[in-house]
Amino acid sequence: KAGVTQTPRYLIKTRGQQVTLSCSPISGHRSVSWYQQTPGQGLQFLFEYFSETQRNKGNFPGRFSGRQFSNSRSEMNVSTLELGDSALYLCASSLGTSGNTDTQYFGPGTRLTVL
Amino acid sequence: AQTVTQSQPEMSVQEAETVTLSCTYDTSESDYYLFWYKQPPSRQMILVIRQEAYKQQNATENRFSVNFQKAAKSFSLKISDSQLGDAAMYFCAYRTYNNNDMRFGAGTRLTVKP
Repeated sequence: KAGVTQTPRYLIKTRGQQVTLSCSPISGHRSVSWYQQTPGQGLQFLFEYFSETQRNKGNFPGRFSGRQFSNSRSEMNVSTLELGDSALYLCASSLGTSGNTDTQYFGPGTRLTVL
Repeated sequence: AQTVTQSQPEMSVQEAETVTLSCTYDTSESDYYLFWYKQPPSRQMILVIRQEAYKQQNATENRFSVNFQKAAKSFSLKISDSQLGDAAMYFCAYRTYNNNDMRFGAGTRLTVKP
């Protein structure tokens, strides 16, 4: 079974621009969660999508948004980029069911650099 | 709010020896799950081991085992017979039973010396 894939792997943008990151989950997984990883703040939860609906949301400004498609693929969008948005953005997929079967599996991440 | 603390920013171990990484967490929930993830340099984060809070028995996966102390809210990872490939950043993570919002510790960087 193919793992979680993320595109692009690397991205360089300038302040004020917007960016869209993509995540394709493991086949059969309906939940996609997004995390931001930075040296200063560590790993922080952005949001989770399940069956095309945002199910959980972390403490990030509204510039960070996402969506999920009917095939469970998810996109994350960051508008009006700031220097502090430079980070590794990780996507994780899971079945989406409650309970101990719902382990999250991570993609390789997208490294975003904002200049 | 649930928090996860890893008090050892860096650890090192000699190849073939045993090392223990510490993790404590804070929660008022009774049902939850704990995980250890490994992130090798410039590589993908992978699951090492997971523990269900309702299980008293400590989880084991080959050379990896945990010491789960629910009352003390402690969840340490023991790596036996350490190998060079074990060198990585190790993250302890927590999530509640019904919520996929995982909380991570700051990580412990493990170095394995040949």
